[in-house]
Amino acid sequence: GEDVEQSLFLSVREGDSSVINCTYTDSSSTYLYWYKQEPGAGLQLLTYIFSNMDMKQDQRLTVLLNKKDKHLSLRIADTQTGDSAIYFCAESHSGNTPLVFGKGTRLSVIA
Amino acid sequence: AAGVIQSPRHLIKEKRETATLKCYPIPRHDTVYWYQQGPGQDPQFLISFYEKMQSDKGSIPDRFSAQQFSDYHSELNMSSLELGDSALYFCASSSDGYTGELFFGEGSRLTVL
Repeated sequence: GEDVEQSLFLSVREGDSSVINCTYTDSSSTYLYWYKQEPGAGLQLLTYIFSNMDMKQDQRLTVLLNKKDKHLSLRIADTQTGDSAIYFCAESHSGNTPLVFGKGTRLSVIA
Repeated sequence: AAGVIQSPRHLIKEKRETATLKCYPIPRHDTVYWYQQGPGQDPQFLISFYEKMQSDKGSIPDRFSAQQFSDYHSELNMSSLELGDSALYFCASSSDGYTGELFFGEGSRLTVL
């Protein structure tokens, strides 16, 4: 079955880079996502990548995809206290199919 | 830009009562998904609709039902509520010309007492 794994916690100092890692098992995953969730809030789409790409950059965010190892990472440059949140990795087979989420990584940014 | 609208944002019910959550997708989005997120948990897929027809079914209890209407909004009906139904319920929408963008609403927080 489908499975998405993430480490549960990450702590970084303000100004440093954060790297959140995710592994998935479904080789037919087509879209891979990163969502941010602040306490009591909704799921904010940060970025997504197609499985035929290996990198996507959007301002402070860099997504790397190693399709062979089924490994996805999210790098946040110059991490700020406002980046403290839970980050969910998610995958889907194709367009219009449900997402499968990881358990989420809680990022704590220390000032 | 218009986002996914969910109502109500907060709802308190007692055991065995019923509840209805509403979702208004982004304009021109024809697919709606419902997810349930328990405390400290990841979102779990419940059910989805495409062009008013059920397209996928996940871990939705038999006590729950949902539908999508002609204006593409969707409602999740929950009956015989149990304490374990207390959760955040998210709706998400996407369009037929799927670009990978899947947007979530702010969620409806259901508390069952």
